[in-house]
Amino acid sequence: DAGVTQSPTHLIKTRGQHVTLRCSPISGHKSVSWYQQVLGQGPQFIFQYYEKEERGRGNFPDRFSARQFPNYSSELNVNALLLGDSALYLCASSYQGIGEAFFGQGTRLTVV
Amino acid sequence: AQRVTQPEKLLSVFKGAPVELKCNYSYSGSPELFWYVQYSRQRLQLLLRHISRESIKGFTADLNKGETSFHLKKPFAQEEDSAMYYCAPPNENSGGSNYKLTFGKGTLLTVNP
Repeated sequence: DAGVTQSPTHLIKTRGQHVTLRCSPISGHKSVSWYQQVLGQGPQFIFQYYEKEERGRGNFPDRFSARQFPNYSSELNVNALLLGDSALYLCASSYQGIGEAFFGQGTRLTVV
Repeated sequence: AQRVTQPEKLLSVFKGAPVELKCNYSYSGSPELFWYVQYSRQRLQLLLRHISRESIKGFTADLNKGETSFHLKKPFAQEEDSAMYYCAPPNENSGGSNYKLTFGKGTLLTVNP
């Protein structure tokens, strides 16, 4: 099993642009969560999806949105990028949102 | 709001010495707490969860509800323990689910030979 996979691994965008980050959970896992990790800080919770429905949202502006597809993969979208959105974006999957959460390697987003 | 405090940003010990990574949390209920670890160039992974009461790689953590602490301990540190450690209770509105975690800022542990 390849584990949780995220794409792309690195990304450079300009202020004001839009970005889409992708996550494929471990086979059989139905829950996906997204976290933002700014340099020097711990990961901050953004969204959690289970069975294609949003189950939780962190303290992030509406510019951040996400969705989960029938195959349980997920996308995180960020509109009108700001310099402060530069961070490592982590995806985590778990079977039903209970038990261990498995993290991907992350997508490093740089906004210039 | 849920808060997690890891007071030490950096911790350096010698091989064979005991190590304790501190974690304090604010939570009104009875949380399930986790410690996650990130070794160099590897992904974040679960080290241990207090509810299982397991000892993983020689590490243990005891939940002290009176002090609202969940310190991570190991009696004899090894060089391979060098990593970033994050304490992570669940978000207080998550019903204890571990996919809505509130991470501390982390402690970078360096074990010197």
